Amino acid sequence: GNSVTQMEGPVTLSEEAFLTINCTYTATGYPSLFWYVQYPGEGLQLLLKATKADDKGSNKGFEATYRKETTSFHLEKGSVQVSDSAVYFCALSDWGDYKLSFGAGTTVTVRA
Amino acid sequence: GAVVSQHPSWVICKSGTSVKIECRSLDFQATTMFWYRQFPKQSLMLMATSNEGSKATYEQGVEKDKFLINHASLTLSTLTVTSAHPEDSSFYICSARYRTRTGNEQFFGPGTRLTVL
Repeated sequence: GNSVTQMEGPVTLSEEAFLTINCTYTATGYPSLFWYVQYPGEGLQLLLKATKADDKGSNKGFEATYRKETTSFHLEKGSVQVSDSAVYFCALSDWGDYKLSFGAGTTVTVRA
Repeated sequence: GAVVSQHPSWVICKSGTSVKIECRSLDFQATTMFWYRQFPKQSLMLMATSNEGSKATYEQGVEKDKFLINHASLTLSTLTVTSAHPEDSSFYICSARYRTRTGNEQFFGPGTRLTVL
């Protein structure tokens, strides 16, 4: 079956630091890959996605590249802000965004 | 953007009672909604897929008689936890599927915290 493994948190960073959250997956076929973000008190929001190998998803300064050879989809941001403090979830789906399988989530706290 | 609400945001109930959680798409129609359960420090686990006008499809291991799902309209799905017990205490999250410019996307509600005493 499908599964997603992501880096355990919590992660605490200073403003303007570089952020990486590792995500690897196991899936049959060719899944679509997603990063969702959950800000305090809010629902999950789609941050970025990639639907095929070598695609790069990007949004709000975050990037992730779909690496089929390493079955990975690591999230990166070059310079984080306090407003990036949130829980980040890696997820995959065999068919577009239908039936998502989530990682455990990584809590990121950015300090001024 | 597409907004999904849940009600209530938190609920405390006694063991043996039933609790209903509502999931609404506020500014769009959703033929498909999903219900997830999240334990502390764990990932979201898909419980069931709710389709408007038809029976929900439950994931393996989820008791359909325990977790009743009704998708009566294009903007409302409800999850009823019947005869709740302390082990049902959890964070329940719904999402609604919506077609955006870039394809289908799931929009999530803020979640409902259920505590069964």
